[in-house]
Amino acid sequence: SQQGEEDPQALSIQEGENATMNCSYKTSINNLQWYRQNSGRGLVHLILIRSNEREKHSGRLRVTLDTSKKSSSLLITASRAADTASYFCATEDNYGQNFVFGPGTRLSVLP
Amino acid sequence: EPEVTQTPSHQVTQMGQEVILRCVPISNHLYFYWYRQILGQKVEFLVSFYNNEISEKSEIFDDQFSVERPDGSNFTLKIRSTKLEDSAMYFCASRYPTSGLTDTQYFGPGTRLTVL
Repeated sequence: SQQGEEDPQALSIQEGENATMNCSYKTSINNLQWYRQNSGRGLVHLILIRSNEREKHSGRLRVTLDTSKKSSSLLITASRAADTASYFCATEDNYGQNFVFGPGTRLSVLP
Repeated sequence: EPEVTQTPSHQVTQMGQEVILRCVPISNHLYFYWYRQILGQKVEFLVSFYNNEISEKSEIFDDQFSVERPDGSNFTLKIRSTKLEDSAMYFCASRYPTSGLTDTQYFGPGTRLTVL
């Protein structure tokens, strides 16, 4: 079965720096999504990138998708302390089934 | 903006008891999902529901679990006889597919289930 795997597992940066998180998966997908989860709270959808797209932007977020390498990256620019959270990638297969989350990257942004 | 809601936010139960977790998906959505996240672990798919029936379920979703859409708005997850290992955060999600393509799943805030 397909599976998203993020790396690094944990990332600690200073406020103002950029944070880059990567996600790899194993099988063909229809889209890949990134979610944020503040500690013990619900999942918040950040951005969706479809398999025929290579890059998307949303505010300070930039997501890339390389289907040949089966990988995606999430870049948060000019990070803030409020960006501290866990970030998950999730992949959805071509049939709209099998929505699979990776284990997440724990981002800590230090003031 | 419409959102998925879940109740209760926290449920504490004794092992062996039945629990029902409730979700109100976004009103015009057609696909509904339940996921769980054991503390410190990744989010796991449990079941998807479309057209009043289960369309997909994972190995986790055994006979102890059931889902129902009892009316036009609620979507419930029932665990018949809870075990300690059922303690987790349970997320409901819904989506409305557009133009035959899949679209964003919108997640609720989750229900934290604690089994004692």
